[in-house]
Amino acid sequence: SSELTQDPAVSVALGQTVRITCQGDSLRRSYASWYQQKPGQAPVLVIFGRNNRPSGIPERFSGSSSGNTASLTVTGAQAEDEADYYCNSRDTGAEGVIFGGGTKLTVL
Amino acid sequence: VQLLESGGGLVQRGGSLRLSCAAAGFSFNNFAMSWVRQAPGKGLEWVSTINSGGRTYYADSVKGRFTISRDTSKNTLYLQMNSLRAGDTAVYYCAKGSDAGVVYYHNMDVWGKGTTVSVSS
Repeated sequence: SSELTQDPAVSVALGQTVRITCQGDSLRRSYASWYQQKPGQAPVLVIFGRNNRPSGIPERFSGSSSGNTASLTVTGAQAEDEADYYCNSRDTGAEGVIFGGGTKLTVL
Repeated sequence: VQLLESGGGLVQRGGSLRLSCAAAGFSFNNFAMSWVRQAPGKGLEWVSTINSGGRTYYADSVKGRFTISRDTSKNTLYLQMNSLRAGDTAVYYCAKGSDAGVVYYHNMDVWGKGTTVSVSS
């Protein structure tokens, strides 16, 4: 099966812009989805498809993709954005779903 | 839209458990449904998906031991877990797919709060 690789940790100053990346061969044929998970809570979908936000997700969250890399951008990060972020995609090498290892975002 | 998991608990290695996920607020039979787990202090791990047509998919780590199913008359998703191992210890989340999941079934737009499974060795 395929893998998705994420940086373990990223930090951003309050109000600045941060990009979280996800790399994997499956992303050449499947869009990534992005999930936010705060401590003790269930994950929440923040981006899916080409660049779609579910209802209730702030506009400062956006997604993009190029080749084997998907990115989640937070423009004007807020304190409440501090969380773990996971990407996932269809495993195009096999029948299944794969998750990245997660990125811990710290807002300074 | 709401998902409520139940059925978790403490079980001995080699034992069995059946998790349930009661769905409300949407047309249950029109969407793919998945189970995703998270071991203590670890990341998310996909376990299994059933699409609207009943086709099932499993992670290699659970294939042959776990069975996903759905009862559309009860709006309930199940995960039958047999031959449990210490490595199956995790919080198990039920998640709703954003569509029928015929081709792409990794978009999970609603999640339950999870149920905890602990396997003792």
